[in-house]
Amino acid sequence: DAGITQSPRHKVTETGTPVTLRCHQTENHRYMYWYRQDPGHGLRLIHYSYGVKDTDKGEVSDGYSVSRSKTEDFLLTLESATSSQTSVYFCAISESALGGYTFGSGTRLTVV
Amino acid sequence: QKEVEQDPGPLSVPEGAIVSLNCTYSNSAFQYFMWYRQYSRKGPELLMYTYSSGNKEDGRFTAQVDKSSKYISLFIRDSQPSDSATYLCAMSARLDDMRFGAGTRLTVKP
Repeated sequence: DAGITQSPRHKVTETGTPVTLRCHQTENHRYMYWYRQDPGHGLRLIHYSYGVKDTDKGEVSDGYSVSRSKTEDFLLTLESATSSQTSVYFCAISESALGGYTFGSGTRLTVV
Repeated sequence: QKEVEQDPGPLSVPEGAIVSLNCTYSNSAFQYFMWYRQYSRKGPELLMYTYSSGNKEDGRFTAQVDKSSKYISLFIRDSQPSDSATYLCAMSARLDDMRFGAGTRLTVKP
């Protein structure tokens, strides 16, 4: 997806290990979001950022932390991965809170 | 009860058919309404964006919002096989809190 990249695209990790997912944008958008997508639940907001070092919790933030030290990068960390965190994770950006989002291609995470 | 309800389908139609996709919601404070299209193993992409009630048309796509009934719809005219995807409705009350439906899987058969 133009202007937004997620890494890695796929990851398998063991229960109890820390995991960091990266979102990088080249659009200089203020707002960045992390969502998880699970069957039957749709997209659920984990954390979001409205500026460098400005972040807030979303609907399903337990077990996750985020950091944004630069406009272009938004990191999602699973502090101690659990099987319930097996999911597809999407990063999204928006220029303003009024507009629609541009999503990345997703990271498929499996916790075994 | 979920804040946003969307029939997961699957929905299968022949090429050229008119498709109707719908969502209902419970939060009367929602003001911003969107439809996203998601192809398999890809991220969602924004299709339509509307504010408050009314209709919006963009090519073969028409979005309708009926706030009195808490009901939104997306119509696709002259559907094509390339329209086969999962369609997600989304809505928000505050500028930083988007709620998504679970998505409807659509297949358009040639």
